[in-house]
Amino acid sequence: GAGVSQSPRYKVTKRGQDVTLRCDPISSHATLYWYQQALGQGPEFLTYFNYEAQPDKSGLPSDRFSAERPEGSISTLTIQRTEQRDSAMYRCASSSDRVETQYFGPGTRLLVL
Amino acid sequence: AQSVTQPDIHITVSEGASLELRCNYSYGATPYLFWYVQSPGQGLQLLLKYFSGDTLVQGIKGFEAEFKRSQSSFNLRKPSVHWSDAAEYFCAVGAKDSNYQLIWGAGTKLIIKP
Repeated sequence: GAGVSQSPRYKVTKRGQDVTLRCDPISSHATLYWYQQALGQGPEFLTYFNYEAQPDKSGLPSDRFSAERPEGSISTLTIQRTEQRDSAMYRCASSSDRVETQYFGPGTRLLVL
Repeated sequence: AQSVTQPDIHITVSEGASLELRCNYSYGATPYLFWYVQSPGQGLQLLLKYFSGDTLVQGIKGFEAEFKRSQSSFNLRKPSVHWSDAAEYFCAVGAKDSNYQLIWGAGTKLIIKP
């Protein structure tokens, strides 16, 4: 596509529910990143994919967080048993190569009540 | 530990005045440096980046930044700001040694006075 898209843009959920966030990167881009951005803070790295491979999951805060990119294009980030501290903006970015510029989507604002 | 510091949480500048946003980093490896801007309701947009070579880099929207290795700084400048520059600005650092994972500053919110 023309740019990185994310859905939903806003998600309100109750504590304990599972949520799945979606990212559709720029079509030619091999690399896809997920970031978490708390209010008043900069983004923090969660994980990244090179095509369908996931070489680095070091930023995922707990085993409740998982991500996949099964066909090397669209990616999902799933948070199981959500907690209030998971409330944040979740940002997806893609790039043609790890060293190149990352292009960001508009983000998904998650609120856990 | 690797870190990026943007010491100013908010900056207020009159329209037409010059602007400098500060960014300092602590990084063991040779860094790649970025400035991104986030406008309300928008995603993060790259303003400029430094990988190597000339330490003064030009970006979009009339912004420039200078990499000063001795000061571990990468400050963003613009000679004359416009009301449309009101946004939040983020400095980020990455390196080959860390798989190009970006470390981000907390951001500086720019407010433009008419």
